Amino acid sequence: GQNIDQPTEMTATEGAIVQINCTYQTSGFNGLFWYQQHAGEAPTFLSYNVLDGLEEKGRFSSFLSRSKGYSYLLLKELQMKDSASYLCAVASSNDYKLSFGAGTTVTVRA
Amino acid sequence: EAQVTQNPRYLITVTGKKLTVTCSQNMNHEYMSWYRQDPGLGLRQIYYSMNVEVTDKGDVPEGYKVSRKEKRNFPLILESPSPNQTSLYFCASSFLTSGGARLETQYFGPGTRLLVL
Repeated sequence: GQNIDQPTEMTATEGAIVQINCTYQTSGFNGLFWYQQHAGEAPTFLSYNVLDGLEEKGRFSSFLSRSKGYSYLLLKELQMKDSASYLCAVASSNDYKLSFGAGTTVTVRA
Repeated sequence: EAQVTQNPRYLITVTGKKLTVTCSQNMNHEYMSWYRQDPGLGLRQIYYSMNVEVTDKGDVPEGYKVSRKEKRNFPLILESPSPNQTSLYFCASSFLTSGGARLETQYFGPGTRLLVL
């Protein structure tokens, strides 16, 4: 199975940068996803890493180190609309399960 | 429009009264899955299906049943609901790539809020 940890809450100022860390322990790794979820809404896809390194997508970047069981999501030039919960999810290579962390609530202040 | 739909969106029921939450996708996805989301616990996978007639348990399958008779539909059945099944439920779907070995991005339905009294 998977054990996935991420911080519960983070607060940052508009225009700043925030880094959300995710650590995982898994019996078989087959990719890591980051999702954004606004209150009362469904999660939406942000990024995917299966190989080590950095994936950049506009203001959002995600990094993966498989040997360390570690990923982070970097949000740059924060905007008020970035206030949301950010979910880290790990896919298993042993079956087709997808396990989520409890989510990190990011609050962006003016 | 490519989408995952769930019905109903809101449901209040009583303990023991069987209910079904429907899920349908129009993207020809092989993989479909059900999750429940509870405060402080995040999304937990209930059941998933890799294709028609192929289903498997997620991390919290107790008290739930599923079926996959058609590729587009994946209903979630609560035979005898209990108050601890009060939750927000999401259905999701995706393609499988690399010869079926890897999950692609999950597309989520809008969610179903269930209250069991």
